[in-house]
Amino acid sequence: EAGVTQSPTHLIKTRGQQATLRCSPISGHTSVYWYQQALGLGLQFLLWYDEGEERNRGNFPPRFSGRQFPNYSSELNVNALELEDSALYLCASGTGDSSGNTIYFGEGSWLTVV
Amino acid sequence: EDQVTQSPEALRLQEGESSSLNCSYTVSGLRGLFWYRQDPGKGPEFLFTLYSAGEEKEKERLKATLTKKESFLHITAPKPEDSATYLCAVKGAQKLVFGQGTRLTINP
Repeated sequence: EAGVTQSPTHLIKTRGQQATLRCSPISGHTSVYWYQQALGLGLQFLLWYDEGEERNRGNFPPRFSGRQFPNYSSELNVNALELEDSALYLCASGTGDSSGNTIYFGEGSWLTVV
Repeated sequence: EDQVTQSPEALRLQEGESSSLNCSYTVSGLRGLFWYRQDPGKGPEFLFTLYSAGEEKEKERLKATLTKKESFLHITAPKPEDSATYLCAVKGAQKLVFGQGTRLTINP
């Protein structure tokens, strides 16, 4: 069974540009989570989608946004890129939002802003 | 606000030297406590889920335990391939919150 897949693996953008990252969840999973992990730091919660709706967002500015499609795949958009947005962006998927079901991570997308 | 604190930040052991990693948490309505392993530049790999105090789970050289305030990840007779960052996370009502991780190095 395929795990969580993310694309692209690496992305280099210039400050001020926009970046789009994509995530396909494990088959049967309806929830998608996005996390940012800057080099040497912990995972910071960005966004949580379930059944196509945004359920929660972390303490990030509005230029971080996303959506979840009817097939449960998800997209993270980062507008007006800043140098400090350079990080590993991790997507995870799980089943449901009311239980403690495990979430599984993809390998991440490396975003470098120059 | 839900919080997770892991200690120590870094731990260096000799091969075969057993030890424990700590995860202290505060959360309203614990729905699950999770342990992950993360290798450099990779996504976290799921290890265990614990749901209630007293629960224990084992996998190879790893054993996770849970109390009402903290969880321990015990590593028995570790090998160099166990070197990684170990992440603890708790799921409350709203989101999954991660600790900063413990960077474990096992020297041969």
